[in-house]
Amino acid sequence: EAQVTQNPRYLITVTGKKLTVTCSQNMNHEYMSWYRQDPGLGLRQIYYSMNVEVTDKGDVPEGYKVSRKEKRNFPLILESPSPNQTSLYFCASSLRGAPSGNTIYFGEGSWLTVV
Amino acid sequence: AQKVTQAQTEISVVEKEDVTLDCVYETRDTTYYLFWYKQPPSGELVFLIRRNSFDEQNEISGRYSWNFQKSTSSFNFTITASQVVDSAVYFCALSVQNFNKFYFGSGTKLNVKP
Repeated sequence: EAQVTQNPRYLITVTGKKLTVTCSQNMNHEYMSWYRQDPGLGLRQIYYSMNVEVTDKGDVPEGYKVSRKEKRNFPLILESPSPNQTSLYFCASSLRGAPSGNTIYFGEGSWLTVV
Repeated sequence: AQKVTQAQTEISVVEKEDVTLDCVYETRDTTYYLFWYKQPPSGELVFLIRRNSFDEQNEISGRYSWNFQKSTSSFNFTITASQVVDSAVYFCALSVQNFNKFYFGSGTKLNVKP
């Protein structure tokens, strides 16, 4: 079954404590991306990756890091989380961006609370 | 700059009514994709449709239909004979730069009452 898997799904953490949200896809997709969803703002793109070792900033990259060492994994790293990073996070993947005939697969979301 | 505007924050209808969700986008790119996603209360994002900038044909899928008009930069979504299960937040999205960058609207919450 085609899947994008995020972990953890729910997390409460404290300010400044480094955390990583993992994202893994089983479809051999080149493209992966992270979004955060906040009330009244919709989803905003944090980072994206076009392939292994190729990443670039989205609209709201501040406070986040990513890496793409393997095709299937695209972890989101919060080096020093702050309360304004409390949000719902989505990982997504597709073959390449949104090519003809393909859809974008989203993970189930990770609810992150920073206190 | 790219932008997607969903001016309707929340809409309430009674079951079987038709409802249209508005989406207006801004981009200077000549090649782009437009999307609609549904987010039910459970939180996952469900893909509904993708349309590229060169294809202005309207599309119908069951009770769903989409009206893409480049002249007004709009990509509106109509649900015919709405059902309670249609209650969700609906997002319109724009993809540019060789489909690597995505911009979502703020979403429209649709409440369908029995």
